[in-house]
Amino acid sequence: KAGVTQTPRYLIKTRGQQVTLSCSPISGHRSVSWYQQTPGQGLQFLFEYFSETQRNKGNFPGRFSGRQFSNSRSEMNVSTLELGDSALYLCASSPGTSGTGELFFGEGSRLTVL
Amino acid sequence: KQEVTQIPAALSVPEGENLVLNCSFTDSAIYNLQWFRQDPGKGLTSLLLIQSSQREQTSGRLNASLDKSSGRSTLYIAASQPGDSATYLCAVEGKSTFGDGTTLTVKP
Repeated sequence: KAGVTQTPRYLIKTRGQQVTLSCSPISGHRSVSWYQQTPGQGLQFLFEYFSETQRNKGNFPGRFSGRQFSNSRSEMNVSTLELGDSALYLCASSPGTSGTGELFFGEGSRLTVL
Repeated sequence: KQEVTQIPAALSVPEGENLVLNCSFTDSAIYNLQWFRQDPGKGLTSLLLIQSSQREQTSGRLNASLDKSSGRSTLYIAASQPGDSATYLCAVEGKSTFGDGTTLTVKP
């Protein structure tokens, strides 16, 4: 069974640009959640999608957005990039929502903003 | 608001030693608690999931316990090996609350 797949694995952008990251969950999983990980802030929750609906949202500015498609694949977008957006962005999938299921993570997308 | 604390932040032990990692949380009304390991620059690998109705889970040399009333979980690693060197994180309240992790170094 294939795991969680995130693309691209690495990318470099400049300030002011926008970026889109993709996450394909484990087959059959309907929940996808996104996290930002930085050395200073640790692992911070961005948002969660379940059956194409955003269920929970962390404390991030509106420049961070996401969506989920009918096949459960999810994308997150960051507009008007800032230097502080440099981070490892992790996606996790789960069979259900409301924190009842086991989380499975992808390898992450490493974003560098210059 | 749920807060998760992991102590110690870093731990260095000689190979073969048994060790315990700690995870504390402030709100005992949780669905489950999950332990992960993370290697540098990588994603998180699930180690153990403890449902709220359970007291412990075991996988190989790993044993995790959960005491909701005291807001604590421990991850016990038996006979540690250099390959166990990684950062260990716990997560409660499902998806949104992680501890900052304990970075473990096992010296040969």
